[in-house]
Amino acid sequence: DAGVIQSPRHEVTEMGQEVTLRCKPISGHDYLFWYRQTMMRGLELLIYFNNNVPIDDSGMPEDRFSAKMPNASFSTLKIQPSEPRDSAVYFCASSLSASAGAEQYFGPGTRLTVT
Amino acid sequence: AQSVTQLDSHVSVSEGTPVLLRCNYSSSYSPSLFWYVQHPNKGLQLLLKYTSAATLVKGINGFEAEFKKSETSFHLTKPSAHMSDAAEYFCVVTLKAAGNKLTFGGGTRVLVKP
Repeated sequence: DAGVIQSPRHEVTEMGQEVTLRCKPISGHDYLFWYRQTMMRGLELLIYFNNNVPIDDSGMPEDRFSAKMPNASFSTLKIQPSEPRDSAVYFCASSLSASAGAEQYFGPGTRLTVT
Repeated sequence: AQSVTQLDSHVSVSEGTPVLLRCNYSSSYSPSLFWYVQHPNKGLQLLLKYTSAATLVKGINGFEAEFKKSETSFHLTKPSAHMSDAAEYFCVVTLKAAGNKLTFGGGTRVLVKP
């Protein structure tokens, strides 16, 4: 298995532009998570899906952020409009279940820089 | 509510010497605990996990951790550091009552000197 796939690996954009990050989870995993990692705040859960349905989006910072999962093999995280404070590494992770002890498998991340 | 504190933001060790990364958690219920490792420009990889079975947990690459409920700790150790252990390590807690959402510690960056 190729693991969790994220694209692009690096994204540089100007303030005000729309940014779309993409994730392909491991086949057969029912749960998909989006995280953001910054120096100031560490790793934060933004949103997670179960069977393509958003379950908890309480970590999404504001309305400029949106996430979708149109099918079991694809998810997007969109920022519109982007701001410099959105600069971070965004990770996607997937797991077989959300039971206690279930391992989450992380993708390599997308490093976003908003100038 | 659950939280996790990693007591050292940076640890520096010499190759071949022991490594100790400290983690304390706060939880009202029996938690599940994990250690993840992040190498530069890479995603996170699971090292080991505790889920209410044996309190001493062995993981990959020679790492192990001991769950001590009385001390609310889950420290990570390795008897002999290798250069490839240079990375950032995250202690993570999750609770079934919290939907098994992962709560991450602030991370400990490990430097291994030759």
